[in-house]
Amino acid sequence: KNQVEQSPQSLIILEGKNCTLQCNYTVSPFSNLRWYKQDTGRGPVSLTIMTFSENTKSNGRYTATLDADTKQSSLHITASQLSDSASYICVVSEIYIPTFGRGTSLIVHP
Amino acid sequence: ETGVTQTPRHLVMGMTNKKSLKCEQHLGHNAMYWYKQSAKKPLELMFVYSLEERVENNSVPSRFSPECPNSSHLFLHLHTLQPEDSALYLCASSQEGRWISNTGELFFGEGSRLTVL
Repeated sequence: KNQVEQSPQSLIILEGKNCTLQCNYTVSPFSNLRWYKQDTGRGPVSLTIMTFSENTKSNGRYTATLDADTKQSSLHITASQLSDSASYICVVSEIYIPTFGRGTSLIVHP
Repeated sequence: ETGVTQTPRHLVMGMTNKKSLKCEQHLGHNAMYWYKQSAKKPLELMFVYSLEERVENNSVPSRFSPECPNSSHLFLHLHTLQPEDSALYLCASSQEGRWISNTGELFFGEGSRLTVL
């Protein structure tokens, strides 16, 4: 059964600090991996996408990495801002269907 | 603004009521989806429509009834729901059909927060 596990479940950091969120998956065959950001009360919005051949992708202060051999991905947030407070969802797709993780809830305190 | 609009944003209903959720996409996409998001659980795929044809029905109870009159509009009709159906219902669309390609991205609406009393 395809699964996506994210850690930590929740995280609290101070504004300006860096943090890293983890995603482990067992989805096969692998097509792509996306990180979504979901603000409270809003729908998820795509941050990055990586295919099998890519091992890093940046979007501003967000950098995602992918190790297809160990089936792990991370999302690194640099110099966090209050607006980074949200849920971050890892989504791994096989050819047809995406599998969603439960998300990591990030709170950035001033 | 993602180009996917959902109404209403909030809905409170009794177990005997009949209500509908509406979704409209302005992106020219071919596929539309309903997802259920409950607290501390992954998004659950409910229905997929590709070119107005239902191609996925993920063992959803019959008290949820989808309708896709055209490629831009999607409805979720609700009837005799249970309190455990309370959740955020997200509509999404994608360029491709059911087969989400290597670059396929889901564009989500803001969601409809449903509370069943």
